[in-house]
Amino acid sequence: AQSVSQHNHHVILSEAASLELGCNYSYGGTVNLFWYVQYPGQHLQLLLKYFSGDPLVKGIKGFEAEFIKSKFSFNLRKPSVQWSDTAEYFCAVILTGGFKTIFGAGTRLFVKA
Amino acid sequence: DTEVTQTPKHLVMGMTNKKSLKCEQHMGHRAMYWYKQKAKKPPELMFVYSYEKLSINESVPSRFSPECPNSSLLNLHLHALQPEDSALYLCASSRASGVDNEQFFGPGTRLTVL
Repeated sequence: AQSVSQHNHHVILSEAASLELGCNYSYGGTVNLFWYVQYPGQHLQLLLKYFSGDPLVKGIKGFEAEFIKSKFSFNLRKPSVQWSDTAEYFCAVILTGGFKTIFGAGTRLFVKA
Repeated sequence: DTEVTQTPKHLVMGMTNKKSLKCEQHMGHRAMYWYKQKAKKPPELMFVYSYEKLSINESVPSRFSPECPNSSLLNLHLHALQPEDSALYLCASSRASGVDNEQFFGPGTRLTVL
């Protein structure tokens, strides 16, 4: 069955700490991968996406993610978090050219000022 | 314009009411989606329209009835809902073909069923 696993449900960090959020997927076929962020009271925003090419993708607000095909992983990283990064982060997978998006359960990040 | 708009922002309805949620985009996207998001949970896909035809129905109860009157508009008609249907309803749009199927999400309608 198709699935997306996010390993950390809650993460608490101090400002300037480094962040890595794990995402693994189980999906037959060629996939597109996304990380979305949902700030408190706001709608889903795209952080970054991977379709093909360089497996290290850079997104907005200093986020990056690395696609490791052999590990079916697409982990999100940021070298130094800020208080404003407090939000919920969702990893999502969709078959290339398809419509059905599978979201991970989400990771709630709280950054202490 | 990379915006998906949704109206209303908030909706409170009784179990016998009939109401509709509306979604609009002007990005030329030919795929449009309805998702349901419960608190502290990820969005769950409900329906997908591609070129104004229903492409995916994720076994959604018939009290939810989608409609895509044209390529820019998507409606979700609600009738005889249950309190457990209270949630944030998200609309999204994307290209309907090609490699890039990034979905653009609207702000959602927060629905409360009494």
